[in-house]
Amino acid sequence: AQRVTQPEKLLSVFKGAPVELKCNYSYSGSPELFWYVQYSRQRLQLLLRHISRESIKGFTADLNKGETSFHLKKPFAQEEDSAMYYCALRTGNTGKLIFGQGTTLQVKP
Amino acid sequence: GAGVSQSPSNKVTEKGKDVELRCDPISGHTALYWYRQSLGQGLEFLIYFQGNSAPDKSGLPSDRFSAERTGGSVSTLTIQRTQQEDSAVYLCASSGGGTATNEKLFFGSGTQLSVL
Repeated sequence: AQRVTQPEKLLSVFKGAPVELKCNYSYSGSPELFWYVQYSRQRLQLLLRHISRESIKGFTADLNKGETSFHLKKPFAQEEDSAMYYCALRTGNTGKLIFGQGTTLQVKP
Repeated sequence: GAGVSQSPSNKVTEKGKDVELRCDPISGHTALYWYRQSLGQGLEFLIYFQGNSAPDKSGLPSDRFSAERTGGSVSTLTIQRTQQEDSAVYLCASSGGGTATNEKLFFGSGTQLSVL
């Protein structure tokens, strides 16, 4: 079955500390992984996608097929990074995404 | 329009009543999705429309839930005989509908449904 797991509901760090939001997936085919973010009182929006191998707002994520993971990382957290983060898996050739349960990142001053 | 529009933004209803939630996708987007966002459950997929194809209804939790999309644009999600466990934020998203890698979803601001 296709599944995305984000084991942490809440991750709290101090400003300047490194951040890693964990994401594991279950899918037998070739996955496409995404991270979406929802800042307070804003809409859910795309942060980054694995295929682009991009860095957005200092965040990066590497797809590890051996560990079936797509962890989101940032070396130095900022207060404005505080938000809800969702990992998502796209399967097949449709746009349909399967989302994880979400992780709330809280960056303290 | 500028983005995906959902109405109403808030809906309070009594248990057992029917509700309709509306979604206006971005003009030209052929794909439309409904998700449900609740504490502890994350984002649950409900239903997906792509052009004139039969919708993917695999995420609808029960036969009390249904959705339609008229004219390939506006969509309505209907919940019949609402239950308290239906309380959640219902999110709509749209996308260009292509099968290209990196298909990006654009989300609306959601409808907060409260069933008393």
